[in-house]
Amino acid sequence: DARVTQTPRDKVTEMGQEVTMRCQPILGHNTVFWYRQTMMQGLELLAYFRNRAPLDDSGMPKDRFSAEMPDATLATLKIQPSEPRDSAVYFCASGLKGGTEAFFGQGTRLTVV
Amino acid sequence: LAKTTQPISMDSYEGQEVNITCSHNNIATNDYITWYQQFPSQGPRFIIQGYKTKVTNEVASLFIPADRKSSTLSLPRVSLSDTAVYYCLVGFRYRTGRRALTFGSGTRLQVQP
Repeated sequence: DARVTQTPRDKVTEMGQEVTMRCQPILGHNTVFWYRQTMMQGLELLAYFRNRAPLDDSGMPKDRFSAEMPDATLATLKIQPSEPRDSAVYFCASGLKGGTEAFFGQGTRLTVV
Repeated sequence: LAKTTQPISMDSYEGQEVNITCSHNNIATNDYITWYQQFPSQGPRFIIQGYKTKVTNEVASLFIPADRKSSTLSLPRVSLSDTAVYYCLVGFRYRTGRRALTFGSGTRLQVQP
């Protein structure tokens, strides 16, 4: 059963620490998305990649967030330094066509204290 | 600024048909409309996608009028397990040319026995 795998599932960290979230997209999918979900803002697109190239990362605070795809089986989202306002659930999703049909992972729940 | 609009919540009873409408006045010519379902503590799950007129699959139908400025997700004969948040997703092309994938605020559907 193909699925998007995200690690860790939960992360609690102190303000100022670096946080790295990882995502393994479904094998063969060429589009990867990072979303953030909070009660206040809902689902926000942070970045998306097609064929490992970043197409849009305008939703990310550039001074502290970075997203990469070192290879086709791994996408990473890094926050450095983390702040309490970064507390949210971060979802990775992958897809094949058009960009709007995607399969989501279970998410990483990040708490910054 | 382009955005989507959905009702915040809806109530229904088991066995009824539920129709959830999303408005998206600034949808781009070549963008698809996609609907997702989300249960608590899970990532959104793809339900259906369409471009125009009507699309039907084993779980839902999607109605899109000719002007494509809105869409309606139709769930036939809902059950308790359909209680979830439903999101419509469209791509918007802003005046700057940047393309974004924007989720609506979601409609919380509560199905009663």
